[in-house]
Amino acid sequence: AQRVTQPEKLLSVFKGAPVELKCNYSYSGSPELFWYVQYSRQRLQLLLRHISRESIKGFTADLNKGETSFHLKKPFAQEEDSAMYYCALKNTDKLIFGTGTRLQVFP
Amino acid sequence: DARVTQTPRHKVTEMGQEVTMRCQPILGHNTVFWYRQTMMQGLELLAYFRNRAPLDDSGMPKDRFSAEMPDATLATLKIQPSEPRDSAVYFCASGDGTYNQPQHFGDGTRLSIL
Repeated sequence: AQRVTQPEKLLSVFKGAPVELKCNYSYSGSPELFWYVQYSRQRLQLLLRHISRESIKGFTADLNKGETSFHLKKPFAQEEDSAMYYCALKNTDKLIFGTGTRLQVFP
Repeated sequence: DARVTQTPRHKVTEMGQEVTMRCQPILGHNTVFWYRQTMMQGLELLAYFRNRAPLDDSGMPKDRFSAEMPDATLATLKIQPSEPRDSAVYFCASGDGTYNQPQHFGDGTRLSIL
């Protein structure tokens, strides 16, 4: 069955510390993976897609097919990064979302 | 910058009342999705459409919820009669259905049923 697992509900760090938000997936086939961010009481916004191999707002995510992971990383967290982060797997048209990780960055 | 537009942004009503939420997908997008977000359940897919045809509404309580796309520029989600447990944020999203293209989300309708 297709599934996305985000094991951490909450991740708290201090400003300037490295951040890694974990995402593991279960999918038979070639996965299409995304990270979405939701700032307080706002819409979900696309942060990254795996195929683009881009860095957005200092975040990167690498697809590791051997470990079936797509962890989100940032070397130096900023206070404005505080938000809810969702990992998502595309299955035909639909997105399968993980349960999300709340990132809190303290000053 | 094209956006998914949802109305109303907020809705407060008494239980038993009909609630209609509207969504205008991004022009040219052929897939439309309705999600519900609550603290307890997180993000749940309620229904989705491709080319205006409903493809999956298994996440939707059929007795009180209905989703339609009267035309390519409008999707609606109705609750009748509404209940307090329907209180949530309802998001609409649209996509173009192609490989590795993401869904784009609207700002949501924050629904409170008293």
